Amino acid sequence: AQSVAQPEDQVNVAEGNPLTVKCTYSVSGNPYLFWYVQYPNRGLQFLLKYITGDNLVKGSYGFEAEFNKSQTSFHLKKPSALVSDSALYFCAVRDDDYKLSFGAGTTVTVRA
Amino acid sequence: EPEVTQTPSHQVTQMGQEVILRCVPISNHLYFYWYRQILGQKVEFLVSFYNNEISEKSEIFDDQFSVERPDGSNFTLKIRSTKLEDSAMYFCASSRTSSGNTIYFGEGSWLTVV
Repeated sequence: AQSVAQPEDQVNVAEGNPLTVKCTYSVSGNPYLFWYVQYPNRGLQFLLKYITGDNLVKGSYGFEAEFNKSQTSFHLKKPSALVSDSALYFCAVRDDDYKLSFGAGTTVTVRA
Repeated sequence: EPEVTQTPSHQVTQMGQEVILRCVPISNHLYFYWYRQILGQKVEFLVSFYNNEISEKSEIFDDQFSVERPDGSNFTLKIRSTKLEDSAMYFCASSRTSSGNTIYFGEGSWLTVV
């Protein structure tokens, strides 16, 4: 069975500083990895995904994520965080049965 | 940009009542899903649907739950007799194909059972 872990419940950064949200995964086959963001009282918005190819994946709103097979990690990064990036971020893995399994989520707070 | 739409956005219902949550997936998508998120908890898979039948369901998706695609565009989740613990945000989602394709989510339907 596949799973993802987000070791940090909360991440706090100052605006303009780099932002990293951590995710590690466990899968039996090839990992299909995703990041979603959820703003308050809103749905899940797709940010980016890794299927195959380049380990550095670029997505929406200036976010990127690095797939690291040896460390089984897929950390989400943004070089310069904005206050508007404050939200709940979910890492997810998709298995051969096509469903997504989500991590517990990380609340990001970017202070002005 | 095409999107998954859900109705209602919020519903309050009495315990024991039937509830139907409706979804219109993205038009060329073939796989459909329902997930739920209890307040403050992680997003949980309920059921996936393909080719007019359930392809997988979780242990949460018991006999009180059912899904249907009645007319080729809508995708519904029915809870036959709601319980207090069914209170959650229910997300509909769809994807074009399997595996690496992105699953797109709707805005969710807040269900409050009183």
